Amino acid sequence: KQEVTQIPAALSVPEGENLVLNCSFTDSAIYNLQWFRQDPGKGLTSLLLIQSSQREQTSGRLNASLDKSSGRSTLYIAASQPGDSATYLCAPQVWNNAGNMLTFGGGTRLMVKP
Amino acid sequence: GAVVSQHPSWVICKSGTSVKIECRSLDFQATTMFWYRQFPKQSLMLMATSNEGSKATYEQGVEKDKFLINHASLTLSTLTVTSAHPEDSSFYICSARDPDRLDTQYFGPGTRLTVL
Repeated sequence: KQEVTQIPAALSVPEGENLVLNCSFTDSAIYNLQWFRQDPGKGLTSLLLIQSSQREQTSGRLNASLDKSSGRSTLYIAASQPGDSATYLCAPQVWNNAGNMLTFGGGTRLMVKP
Repeated sequence: GAVVSQHPSWVICKSGTSVKIECRSLDFQATTMFWYRQFPKQSLMLMATSNEGSKATYEQGVEKDKFLINHASLTLSTLTVTSAHPEDSSFYICSARDPDRLDTQYFGPGTRLTVL
């Protein structure tokens, strides 16, 4: 069974800092990996999707890397802004008898202070 | 990107009543939809996989008679919480898998259920 761990669980930083959010997973036979953002009381917004054959994906100030063999992914946020405050969820996707399934980590709650 | 809607956004009901939550893929056809549950400050836990035209597959520990799932069309799945109790109060989120976009799952905005 896939287990996903995200470190740190919570992070509070001043505006402008570059951030690193870590995700590790136990089953490296993944199809892809997604990073999501969740604002309080809201649904999920997909930020980046990395295919298993890729090493990284970039979107604006966000960069996600994937080391499939070691079961790790990292989300970099450059020049953080207060609007980045949210919970960030990592979700590797695997194939099983039911098709492809996402397993979520516990998330990193980010607070960017003005 | 693809859009998934949920209705209602929030609902308050009395203990013992049943509540239906709808999940719709608005601009794509989804043969597979997923239902998740999220408790405060916790991550999403998969409840069941909903396949169009067939019975849902429930995760271990999820009561299928309690949480009825119907996926009657390629754009609509419903979750009915039957005989709701206060412990069923939670945030329910659905997602729909888009086969034309590398099977990416797109998530709905969630439904906040409060059972009094």
